[in-house]
Amino acid sequence: QQQVKQSPQSLIVQKGGISIINCAYENTAFDYFPWYQQFPGKGPALLIAIRPDVSEKKEGRFTISFNKSAKQFSLHIMDSQPGDSATYFCAASRTGTASKLTFGTGTRLQVTL
Amino acid sequence: KAGVTQTPRYLIKTRGQQVTLSCSPISGHRSVSWYQQTPGQGLQFLFEYFSETQRNKGNFPGRFSGRQFSNSRSEMNVSTLELGDSALYLCASSLGSTSGRAQYFGPGTRLLVL
Repeated sequence: QQQVKQSPQSLIVQKGGISIINCAYENTAFDYFPWYQQFPGKGPALLIAIRPDVSEKKEGRFTISFNKSAKQFSLHIMDSQPGDSATYFCAASRTGTASKLTFGTGTRLQVTL
Repeated sequence: KAGVTQTPRYLIKTRGQQVTLSCSPISGHRSVSWYQQTPGQGLQFLFEYFSETQRNKGNFPGRFSGRQFSNSRSEMNVSTLELGDSALYLCASSLGSTSGRAQYFGPGTRLLVL
């Protein structure tokens, strides 16, 4: 049972544009939602994370928006750059099994010039 | 601080063999988790070790096992390798506490089973 659904599967954005990736979860016990960026041949790198008591969190050009009632959260990349071209994964975990991250299927982002 | 390191980076094995992968966490991190990444199944949680004890386990067969040493370094073992075990194996370390849930991944070990 896939517990975290991620969309779109791939995304092409022009340089300077806004990239938006969406995730939806089913398990209401999830209480920690990180986003990871992965370049080919590398391990995932933690970008930003949010907990459900906050509706938005911003770090530099990256913003997470969280909608607890809809069980959805999204990553916004402002002023997208070619160097942002990578695969992005959302994930979720719950207290009790906090280290067990359930990942979305990934979004391949390409930022064009 | 140095990041998470994994050795070896690449491995080629044949069916039926066994393999041991190693992970050194970030200094001060007591939790080490292992994940399998494949194009078909994505990123899947294998297990987590904290203070030398397995604390959480994913849905993988018993052929997949691990251990953690007193210095928090961890090893993962896969016995009787199958073709489907070909994957990128990632380890991640964290403080392992309620307030320290951020997991930091290593570069992974790419295993090819022939």
